[in-house]
Amino acid sequence: DAGVIQSPRHEVTEMGQEVTLRCKPISGHDYLFWYRQTMMRGLELLIYFNNNVPIDDSGMPEDRFSAKMPNASFSTLKIQPSEPRDSAVYFCASRGQGKVRHTEAFFGQGTRLTVV
Amino acid sequence: GENVEQHPSTLSVQEGDSAVIKCTYSDSASNYFPWYKQELGKRPQLIIDIRSNVGEKKDQRIAVTLNKTAKHFSLHITETQPEDSAVYFCAATFGNEKLTFGTGTRLTIIP
Repeated sequence: DAGVIQSPRHEVTEMGQEVTLRCKPISGHDYLFWYRQTMMRGLELLIYFNNNVPIDDSGMPEDRFSAKMPNASFSTLKIQPSEPRDSAVYFCASRGQGKVRHTEAFFGQGTRLTVV
Repeated sequence: GENVEQHPSTLSVQEGDSAVIKCTYSDSASNYFPWYKQELGKRPQLIIDIRSNVGEKKDQRIAVTLNKTAKHFSLHITETQPEDSAVYFCAATFGNEKLTFGTGTRLTIIP
């Protein structure tokens, strides 16, 4: 398996534009997490899914952020409209079955977003 | 609410010495505590984890201890080497699913 795959690796966009980040989890994993990393706040959990269903989106900063998981192999995080303060590295992570026994969460390589 | 505190935020250690990073968590129901290492420009990767039914776990030069009563856990790195330089994150699970991270510790090993 190639691991968790995120695209694009880098994104530079103008303020007000829509941005879509993509994630392909490891095959067979049933949990998918979206994190945002900044120097000030570290790794913040934005939202996570279990079996394609959003479980907790309390970390989503504003209504400008939305996430979907239409199937087990694909998820998107959308920002519309984007603002300079959204500039950060966005990580997607997935992990396998583990309601009883926790398993390792694997991270993608991240998308570095710059909003100018 | 869920909270994981991590200290120190930066740590410099002479090569060969030990490094200790400490974390506290708020939810007494937390039962899984992983540690991740993130090298510059790369993704976080798991280096060791501990579950709530164990007080200590060791893997070569890395060890983690857990005190459930005090709700804190620590990462110990012995005989530090230059390749140990990185940012280290502790994490805890809340509600058996949600993984919340500490703010990270930037460890620098001085040759």
